[in-house]
Amino acid sequence: DAKTTQPNSMESNEEEPVHLPCNHSTISGTDYIHWYRQLPSQGPEYVIHGLTSNVNNRMASLAIAEDRKSSTLILHRATLRDAAVYYCILRAPGGGADGLTFGKGTHLIIQP
Amino acid sequence: DSGVTQTPKHLITATGQRVTLRCSPRSGDLSVYWYQQSLDQGLQFLIQYYNGEERAKGNILERFSAQQFPDLHSELNLSSLELGDSALYFCASSVAGGLDIQYFGAGTRLSVL
Repeated sequence: DAKTTQPNSMESNEEEPVHLPCNHSTISGTDYIHWYRQLPSQGPEYVIHGLTSNVNNRMASLAIAEDRKSSTLILHRATLRDAAVYYCILRAPGGGADGLTFGKGTHLIIQP
Repeated sequence: DSGVTQTPKHLITATGQRVTLRCSPRSGDLSVYWYQQSLDQGLQFLIQYYNGEERAKGNILERFSAQQFPDLHSELNLSSLELGDSALYFCASSVAGGLDIQYFGAGTRLSVL
């Protein structure tokens, strides 16, 4: 599986934008970039995914570099509830193994 | 609320014992996944079932087994338990498989004493 690299932790202030980076220099042309997050004492939850174009949904935006070797998850206005571990995961279509491969993720700390 | 239900929430047992964890997927989802989260190994994929059949295997030990029943609920059986099996066990479900979004339950915390 292609590997992702994320900072261990990041800190931001409430109501400010947060940019969470992910490097995936060995990404293949068909790999999708998925983001999940895990709030304290909860199971992981889906955030967003994309292939080549930038994506927006009600939770976040995903900016994908033109060469696809990196991407950034953007939380436009962080709240205390966004404090979580964020995982960047590459997923290949038709691979037959549909389980998610979680790395260590980025522990996002939000200061009030 | 993800719609995925896991029981029990907590389980305390002794080494050498056997336990069963249960998962009810979201209504309409055919795939069920099991994951283990421990402090040293992080979140690891164990096994996937699709419509009653095993579809993919991850880092699942031979002492562990799972099944998915006709009503699509799933059970994860852990036997000959060791101290190192203490972990959070999550179940997730998705509509089918592939690149589908996976919805996770709240987990079962297993403590092996």
